[in-house]
Amino acid sequence: DAMVIQNPRYQVTQFGKPVTLSCSQTLNHNVMYWYQQKSSQAPKLLFHYYDKDFNNEADTPDNFQSRRPNTSFCFLDIRSPGLGDAAMYLCATSSFHQGMSTDTQYFGPGTRLTVL
Amino acid sequence: SQQGEEDPQALSIQEGENATMNCSYKTSINNLQWYRQNSGRGLVHLILIRSNEREKHSGRLRVTLDTSKKSSSLLITASRAADTASYFCATDRGDYKLSFGAGTTVTVRA
Repeated sequence: DAMVIQNPRYQVTQFGKPVTLSCSQTLNHNVMYWYQQKSSQAPKLLFHYYDKDFNNEADTPDNFQSRRPNTSFCFLDIRSPGLGDAAMYLCATSSFHQGMSTDTQYFGPGTRLTVL
Repeated sequence: SQQGEEDPQALSIQEGENATMNCSYKTSINNLQWYRQNSGRGLVHLILIRSNEREKHSGRLRVTLDTSKKSSSLLITASRAADTASYFCATDRGDYKLSFGAGTTVTVRA
């Protein structure tokens, strides 16, 4: 089945120790998103890729970066995690082309990040 | 930024009862979507209603949209224990980005 896969499902890191979360998709969608979701809150968009074009949200901290080496894979790098970065990180995809799009987003199961 | 506000924040109902939750938003939209999130999992798309539609059905789900009031409602009929989850509305302004509300947590008691 076509899907969005996130690894690992649970990640524990130490304060200040860089961490990378990964996302892959078999949907061949051209747009990939990274969201941060804290407990009982709405998912907050960090950034997204439209094809190879990177788009950062204005309030995303510089501590967060992303890479998309090809259509299928996208990575979230947290350079120096703080206690406030502990959250669920959700990857999503969609297909968007002018005049024709899926409109909906397809989410992975998320990676729960704990910062000690 | 978060555009949607959901009401109520939490809802507890008996199995078989209906559950209704509401979403209000601030700016004009292309469409409004509802997603479900089971505890500790990703979001699953439930239903999409476009700005020129007023009501839509999918199985036990009924969504309404009132663009004059900038509000939407999601009704789940004949609820089941498996409907226990958080439900989020998300607005699409046509720029392929979604803005999510804070969600309604629904608990269905057996």
